[in-house]
Amino acid sequence: DTAVSQTPKYLVTQMGNDKSIKCEQNLGHDTMYWYKQDSKKFLKIMFSYNNKELIINETVPNRFSPKSPDKAHLNLHINSLELGDSAVYFCASSQLGANTEAFFGQGTRLTVV
Amino acid sequence: ILNVEQSPQSLHVQEGDSTNFTCSFPSSNFYALHWYRWETAKSPEALFVMTLNGDEKKKGRISATLNTKEGYSYLYIKGSQPEDSATYLCASGLLIYNQGGKLIFGQGTELSVKP
Repeated sequence: DTAVSQTPKYLVTQMGNDKSIKCEQNLGHDTMYWYKQDSKKFLKIMFSYNNKELIINETVPNRFSPKSPDKAHLNLHINSLELGDSAVYFCASSQLGANTEAFFGQGTRLTVV
Repeated sequence: ILNVEQSPQSLHVQEGDSTNFTCSFPSSNFYALHWYRWETAKSPEALFVMTLNGDEKKKGRISATLNTKEGYSYLYIKGSQPEDSATYLCASGLLIYNQGGKLIFGQGTELSVKP
């Protein structure tokens, strides 16, 4: 069983569309994250949730809205997609937070055309 | 602003060579230091999480050390093998409001091991 799974793996869409990326973890972790891999391949934190509560929102445009229906799921909804949103987005989870290892999903490559 | 820096950016070695990489991070408010191994087309996988000054951890041929006072960590690979080829990421963990936290990643060291 995959520990952290995200869907879809690839997403190609037109500018202006609204899309969602889903993430689920079966590890029983309390904390879930969204990271964005930028053009220089850095992984940058976007959001962190702890037990369904938003803990961190790192200056992300409000077109990006995370939703955590329960602590095993953290979905990312993006409105009015722009060309600059093209990137690989990674979901991750950890048991407690920054002092426990993070488990990553396989990434979603978003291409906005 | 918290910067995590890794060096070198890339490294090409022959099979059997031993190698090491450096990760530097701000030593103030230190909480945790992570190392991840990231193979192409896969997701990052944790190697080590260290929290105490002087920590040394080992997994097979790979080991890591931590100096929180001066803000650096070393990752060592003994007798590199082609399957060690990957990008090695370090990340500094920050505690946020006593709940959860976040990782600040370095840019990674890309290791290529030639047979």
